[in-house]
This record gives sequence, structure tokens and C-alpha cells, in this order.
Amino acid sequence: AQTVTQSQPEMSVQEAETVTLSCTYDTSESNYYLFWYKQPPSRQMILVIRQEAYKQQNATENRFSVNFQKAAKSFSLKISDSQLGDTAMYFCAFMRTQGGSEKLVFGKGTKLTVNP
Amino acid sequence: GAVVSQHPSRVICKSGTSVKIECRSLDFQATTMFWYRQFPKKSLMLMATSNEGSKATYEQGVEKDKFLINHASLTLSTLTVTSAHPEDSSFYICSARVDREYEQYFGPGTRLTVT
Repeated sequence: AQTVTQSQPEMSVQEAETVTLSCTYDTSESNYYLFWYKQPPSRQMILVIRQEAYKQQNATENRFSVNFQKAAKSFSLKISDSQLGDTAMYFCAFMRTQGGSEKLVFGKGTKLTVNP
Repeated sequence: GAVVSQHPSRVICKSGTSVKIECRSLDFQATTMFWYRQFPKKSLMLMATSNEGSKATYEQGVEKDKFLINHASLTLSTLTVTSAHPEDSSFYICSARVDREYEQYFGPGTRLTVT
């Protein structure tokens, strides 16, 4: 079974600075998707960024980028120029793409606080 | 973008009663919908996967007879918590997926409190 590990339960960063959230996963699959979701206090899950395992280039979405190391099974999220609105829980998630079981497996989450 | 709604957003029910939660995809047809449960300060745990017109697939440890899932159309799935007990109090989130796409679109969640 796939597992996703987020080793940082809580993190804080000053506004305008950069922060990196870590995520590792365990799978024997060769092709899969990895996601970072944000859950603000409203509890609405918001997709931040997505990475397809067969793509070597790291995904980037504005201030958000990932460092995808497939051999190491690592998928960290970097937030640049942090903003107060980035304060939220961040969940790393894994999805296999084969066998018709496109279920998301979530990590335990990292609570990020951006301080003014 | 794709929008998923849930109704109600909050519900309080008495122990022993049943409560139904609706999940709707507003601007797309969802071949697959997922139901999650989230305890306070915890991650999302998948309860079941439902495909339109077929029986839901439940995750290990989830009671099928307690959590009834119906996916009657391509835009609506319902979760009914039967004979609710205080330990069923939780935040329930649904998501919807378009066929052949991998992204899941999440609803805003429903907070269930059983007294």
C-alpha cells in the first residue's frame, strides 16, 4: 500500500520569505501523480500544484514550486514570497494511475503559519 | 472552474436518527465521487468511492450499512449516516472526478454533530 509522510507537523515563516514543506512517499508504481493541497481555516480543499511522475521537469505555479526527486521518492513544496493568505494546512497526496484505482492517499499534513 | 457543492454545510442530529448529505457537481458531470472523513486537526481519510449507477466501493473498516452511499446521477451523490451516534460526529468532505481526468474537485465539507 502507498504511504505518504509529512514529517513537519507545524511550520512558520515570516511574510515575504520562502518556506519549504517536505513530503516523502512509498510506492512500487512507476507512474503516478503527486499533489499538494491547501486547506485554509474555511476547510475548503484547494489544489496548489500537481506533478506527474513521468515528467522530469518540476511543476511550478506562480509562487509555488516543487522539488520532485523520483528516485528518492521525495516531493517538497516551496512557497516563495509567503503571504498571510498562505496560512493553512498543507497536505501532500499520492494517486496511482494504474489498475483503475485513482484514489488519493494523503499525508498527515503540515500546518503553516505566515507571520506578519 | 469545476465547482462541487455540499448540502448541508452544518447539521446537528440526535443520536439514533439518520442524516443525509448531498454532494453535487455544478458545472460538470462526475463519473466518480469520493467521500472522505476528517477528524479535527487530522488528515482526510477516504471512506468510499462511488461510480454513477453502480454500488460504492468502501474502504476497509468503513461500515457499509452505516454509511449508505448513492450515486444516482452524474451530478449527485449522497451519503446517509444511519442510526447516528456521537462518535460519527466529524467533518465529511466529498470530491468529484471527471472520467479520464485525475484531478479531484472538492466540496466545501459538511460538519456533522450528533448529540
